[in-house]
Amino acid sequence: DQQVKQNSPSLSVQEGRISILNCDYTNSMFDYFLWYKKYPAEGPTFLISISSIKDKNEDGRFTVFLNKSAKHLSLHIVPSQPGDSAVYFCAAAFQGAQKLVFGQGTRLTINP
Amino acid sequence: ETGVTQSPTHLIKTRGQQVTLRCSSQSGHNTVSWYQQALGQGPQFIFQYYREEENGRGNFPPRFSGLQFPNYSSELNVNALELDDSALYLCASRAGGTDTQYFGPGTRLTVL
Repeated sequence: DQQVKQNSPSLSVQEGRISILNCDYTNSMFDYFLWYKKYPAEGPTFLISISSIKDKNEDGRFTVFLNKSAKHLSLHIVPSQPGDSAVYFCAAAFQGAQKLVFGQGTRLTINP
Repeated sequence: ETGVTQSPTHLIKTRGQQVTLRCSSQSGHNTVSWYQQALGQGPQFIFQYYREEENGRGNFPPRFSGLQFPNYSSELNVNALELDDSALYLCASRAGGTDTQYFGPGTRLTVL
């Protein structure tokens, strides 16, 4: 039962362009969403989060959009840089609860 | 900045053995969670500790157990190791009243 899905295993984007990573969820009770970035041999690094009471949150080059009716969130990276090449995980939670439910990850490659 | 550390970095065990993995939480974080990440998958929640008590558990058998100490460091113990236990084990900590978890670099466990 995959409650959080990232349907694109990989994405390739040219440096300077916009990267859009997508995530879908099935449980409408999730009310807090996060994006993590992971380099090989390192743990996931927190990037940005959004509460279900918002539909957009920005932090520098990173913006997360939440569409509750579609149960869909996306991460936009503008402009994309070579250091953004990593695996990106979206995660969902019930606010105040214990666990994060992760998607399978999307490998982003930024080409020069 | 996470500040979560884990040891050891890598570990090789044989089937049937027992293993203990260690985690030091970020300063001020009183809640620690453990996750298992199999190759090509997102992290899966094992359990969470708060004030030295387990207060949430994922779909893992009882041979996965843990401890949290007064200084908020913690251990993950796995008994009767199976080949499928080979994975990256991640520790994450968060401060009380917040929802964002910060991850350590992980311990790579290989079971032969």
